[in-house]
Amino acid sequence: EVQLVESGGGLVQPGGSLRLSCAASGFTFSSYSMNWVRQAPGKGLEWISYISGRSITIYYADSVKGRFTISRDNAKNSLYLHMNSLRDEDTALYYCARGGATTRPAEFDYWGQGTLVTVSS
Amino acid sequence: EIVLTQSPATLSLSPGERATLSCGASQSVSSNYLAWYQQKPGLAPSLLIYDASTRATGIPDRFSGSGSGTDFTLTIARLQPEDFAVYYCQHYGSSVTFGGGTKVEIK
Repeated sequence: EVQLVESGGGLVQPGGSLRLSCAASGFTFSSYSMNWVRQAPGKGLEWISYISGRSITIYYADSVKGRFTISRDNAKNSLYLHMNSLRDEDTALYYCARGGATTRPAEFDYWGQGTLVTVSS
Repeated sequence: EIVLTQSPATLSLSPGERATLSCGASQSVSSNYLAWYQQKPGLAPSLLIYDASTRATGIPDRFSGSGSGTDFTLTIARLQPEDFAVYYCQHYGSSVTFGGGTKVEIK
């Protein structure tokens, strides 16, 4: 059974940093691209970052480019999101989501339950 | 970046009725890389349809997707009580965007 479990969320002051983790199980993690998607309270979904299976290709949404860094450790079946210079508008539930197993663009077929990041003084 | 506009924002229907949700793209979606997700309160989104018209594993056949280019539709043939939720369309390609969502509520 595919499982994605996020952790690392919490309360952080504006300008602060946080690292989110996503532990994957039930599939060959290194074969799949992964994504981070966030959802502000009461709002819609916003994709924020993509990483290919071997970390060769990485993309970011403009809203987080230069502040957030996606990475993965295939030996640990883990995905990460390093978040710096956090702003109030980064407050959201952060989901990791599985992409595809090839270089072809892919839908997100499995999602974690999310981890909440609150940016507030 | 492709902008996706979903309509209507809210759809009020009764169980057993047909729901038609629209997703319009600001430019043509290549290879029909368009997906639909369902999200229930307090839960993560779940995949319904990908490549515009292919049902994901385990999705009942009352859900169907259609369209190409810039106009896409999600149809729920006969609404079941568990179908009342928020639905999002998504374009996936070199960049990824989501529509703003359509809430299907009980009338």
